[in-house]
Amino acid sequence: ETGVTQTPRHLVMGMTNKKSLKCEQHLGHNAMYWYKQSAKKPLELMFVYSLEERVENNSVPSRFSPECPNSSHLFLHLHTLQPEDSALYLCASSQGSGSGTDTQYFGPGTRLTVL
Amino acid sequence: QKEVEQNSGPLSVPEGAIASLNCTYSDRGSQSFFWYRQYSGKSPELIMFIYSNGDKEDGRFTAQLNKASQYVSLLIRDSQPSDSATYLCAVNTDKLIFGTGTRLQVFP
Repeated sequence: ETGVTQTPRHLVMGMTNKKSLKCEQHLGHNAMYWYKQSAKKPLELMFVYSLEERVENNSVPSRFSPECPNSSHLFLHLHTLQPEDSALYLCASSQGSGSGTDTQYFGPGTRLTVL
Repeated sequence: QKEVEQNSGPLSVPEGAIASLNCTYSDRGSQSFFWYRQYSGKSPELIMFIYSNGDKEDGRFTAQLNKASQYVSLLIRDSQPSDSATYLCAVNTDKLIFGTGTRLQVFP
């Protein structure tokens, strides 16, 4: 439950605001992920970091900017978002290199609402 | 395009029954398969993973994999109302692809 933490848990922002989501993992894992979960849609992988290096970027709009200062912390910087960006943003971590066979463990998520 | 398909449900079963959740996937090169449970408003929680054809049991849960048919299932024995949640199937090749989930309702 507390292996991966995310703050804030809820965020309401206007389209002109700049905010950041934070994720921290206490599992000693090497890879961290950002996912977006919208209603009625499957989880969408946004970014993957392995040992602080970005290894995957799934054509995410530039208004989402990730940052991974070390293997335990991951940020998602948000600016000039659109209402359709409202969703649950989930952070996950895994032991391996961020490849396909890793078991991923999720944080509680940040519920983002863009007005 | 790599896809993972699940029936959205809801699947309604009485307490004590066996709940059977199914998932098909399109990429024959998929190597590992995961079942996550997600309660409403919560994040996904790993239940089981399976890599090899056949059955894998963990308590009341059994995962079944058939790579030839590109099919993976999750059986929940002695279903409890607390099992009511959305169950996400995820399939891994070079990255994890999730299905949309099946909503399970266990009624007393």
